[in-house]
Amino acid sequence: ILNVEQSPQSLHVQEGDSTNFTCSFPSSNFYALHWYRWETAKSPEALFVMTLNGDEKKKGRISATLNTKEGYSYLYIKGSQPEDSATYLCAFSPRSDYKLSFGAGTTVTVRA
Amino acid sequence: DAEITQSPRHKITETGRQVTLACHQTWNHNNMFWYRQDLGHGLRLIHYSYGVQDTNKGEVSDGYSVSRSNTEDLPLTLESAASSQTSVYFCASSDGNPTGELFFGEGSRLTVL
Repeated sequence: ILNVEQSPQSLHVQEGDSTNFTCSFPSSNFYALHWYRWETAKSPEALFVMTLNGDEKKKGRISATLNTKEGYSYLYIKGSQPEDSATYLCAFSPRSDYKLSFGAGTTVTVRA
Repeated sequence: DAEITQSPRHKITETGRQVTLACHQTWNHNNMFWYRQDLGHGLRLIHYSYGVQDTNKGEVSDGYSVSRSNTEDLPLTLESAASSQTSVYFCASSDGNPTGELFFGEGSRLTVL
């Protein structure tokens, strides 16, 4: 079992504010780090797959960075909107495997 | 459009009954996975398959089994349902690329009374 930690567990953000949260994972034997967005009553959808140290990915107002040497990734939401309310999951893939180990998620609630 | 579907979406059963949750994907993906979602735990891997006739245990496999007789389907069977198996179950698939993203089904909510 690979230890993938996400913090905080939940956060509330005022509409228009920016926010970020963390995923930490084993720094040894790294292969890929995934971010998924999971809206209530839907299924998780992939945001980013990151493989290289220093990788930065962006999709609209959401971006992510990756530090494989220290074993963490940040997800940023710029100018939060109510539609950004969701649980954001990160998942780690070791070099040896295709299967992913998920963190427990960070639930973001954006208040209008 | 390619998709991944699960059935049933909701099921209530009794302790000791055998239950099978179906998962069917039309992505032609080799890799298929079953996860369960529990409060505070996120998604935990039950079983997975990398191709026809291949099955492997995940971190919470006790009490569950899967079979892979074709590319499209990976049914999950609870041999003798227990209350601890009340959960939401997600099936997912990915292609053979090690960095391939997972595509998830819509989930099956199982209640064991």
